[in-house]
Amino acid sequence: QSALTQPPSASGSPGQSVTISCTGTSSDVGGYNYVSWYQQHPGKAPKLMIYEVSKRPSGVPDRFSGSKSGNTASLTVSGLQAEDEADYYCSSYAGSNLEVFGTGTKVTVL
Amino acid sequence: QVQLVQSGAEVKKPGASVKVSCKASGYTFTSYDINWVRQATGQGLEWMGWMDPNSDNTGYAQKFQGRVTMTRNTSISTAYMELSSLRSEDTAVYYCARGDSSGWDLWGQGTLVTVSP
Repeated sequence: QSALTQPPSASGSPGQSVTISCTGTSSDVGGYNYVSWYQQHPGKAPKLMIYEVSKRPSGVPDRFSGSKSGNTASLTVSGLQAEDEADYYCSSYAGSNLEVFGTGTKVTVL
Repeated sequence: QVQLVQSGAEVKKPGASVKVSCKASGYTFTSYDINWVRQATGQGLEWMGWMDPNSDNTGYAQKFQGRVTMTRNTSISTAYMELSSLRSEDTAVYYCARGDSSGWDLWGQGTLVTVSP
């Protein structure tokens, strides 16, 4: 089980959009529609932002959206706000009741 | 109030074991899987395994096979994660999280485990 690959950092100005990629293989991201995204602020527990590739839990702003193409999933944050500055992690089901996280991306709001 | 409350910080010596608890409240404990995730300081999230509190079925990441045991006590709605043969690299914050492959929507506050001689 290798970690999914994410860019270490991404940034954008307030109001702009930022997209984070999450690349895996056909055994995880590409094989199942079970990709989730988590937001983590310093010193806090992660928070579920997207599940099953593109679904938003209740209470998550519609500025957050998810998609997938082949072995790569993406999280887009539109209309960036200061409070969106955080670390973001993807996760994917990897078969046989196993899960794997991405390497994490630090999003900076300029 | 729907929440997961974890036990307090632990300091252990190398070679020892640690057992972290995760008490669920505000929902039916046996209706949702419990996963365990850890995070070393300044590092990313690492999935350790899951447990179905209803069936007691478990699944562990290959990295932790043989060293981790996940159990539960349904009478007090509490899940446990025990990690043995601790080494310095196991120093991390350990989280429990409710959910399955469709996402983990409820997280504990985290438990810091420090492994030091």
